[in-house]
Amino acid sequence: AQSVAQPEDQVNVAEGNPLTVKCTYSVSGNPYLFWYVQYPNRGLQFLLKYITGDNLVKGSYGFEAEFNKSQTSFHLKKPSALVSDSALYFCAVRRGGSARQLTFGSGTQLTVLP
Amino acid sequence: GAGVSQSPSNKVTEKGKDVELRCDPISGHTALYWYRQSLGQGLEFLIYFQGNSAPDKSGLPSDRFSAERTGGSVSTLTIQRTQQEDSAVYLCASSSQQGAPLSYEQYFGPGTRLTVT
Repeated sequence: AQSVAQPEDQVNVAEGNPLTVKCTYSVSGNPYLFWYVQYPNRGLQFLLKYITGDNLVKGSYGFEAEFNKSQTSFHLKKPSALVSDSALYFCAVRRGGSARQLTFGSGTQLTVLP
Repeated sequence: GAGVSQSPSNKVTEKGKDVELRCDPISGHTALYWYRQSLGQGLEFLIYFQGNSAPDKSGLPSDRFSAERTGGSVSTLTIQRTQQEDSAVYLCASSSQQGAPLSYEQYFGPGTRLTVT
């Protein structure tokens, strides 16, 4: 079985400050890891992924995430937060190989304060 | 280009009625997924179609739920005898499972908000 934990339901950060949204995972075999963002009354929008290669991956809108195998983590980061980054963020994992569906974390509501 | 589309965007139905939700994936994407998003359960996988292979139905919560994908493109999720606990946002996603390198990420539609009264 695979699982994802997002330990913080809510993260508040001031505009211009760095932000981190935490994610840890559990999966057998090599993990494929993803971050998605959801704005109100919208579907999920893909931000970035880790499949293999460099542990630091860069994605849309200046976001990046660092894969840490020993800590089984995949935290989402951005050096300077914008008010428009305020949204619901989901971390997801799937097992490499034949299993395709994503297992999602419970989501973290990010609020960037002006 | 066009993304994943879903219809209707909102559906209100009475308990016990059947509903059909439609998903039109990105053109050329061979994989199609249905998920359900609800306050109590978060995002749950329901069913997965890949090409002409038998679908993975392991996430369907009961036999009242079924889905089909016609011609390898459009998919319909059917819920029979709806219950209040079926109220949720139903999300469809598609991904490309062909080409090199594979993209792996899934692209989501805007969802159908189902309310069972």
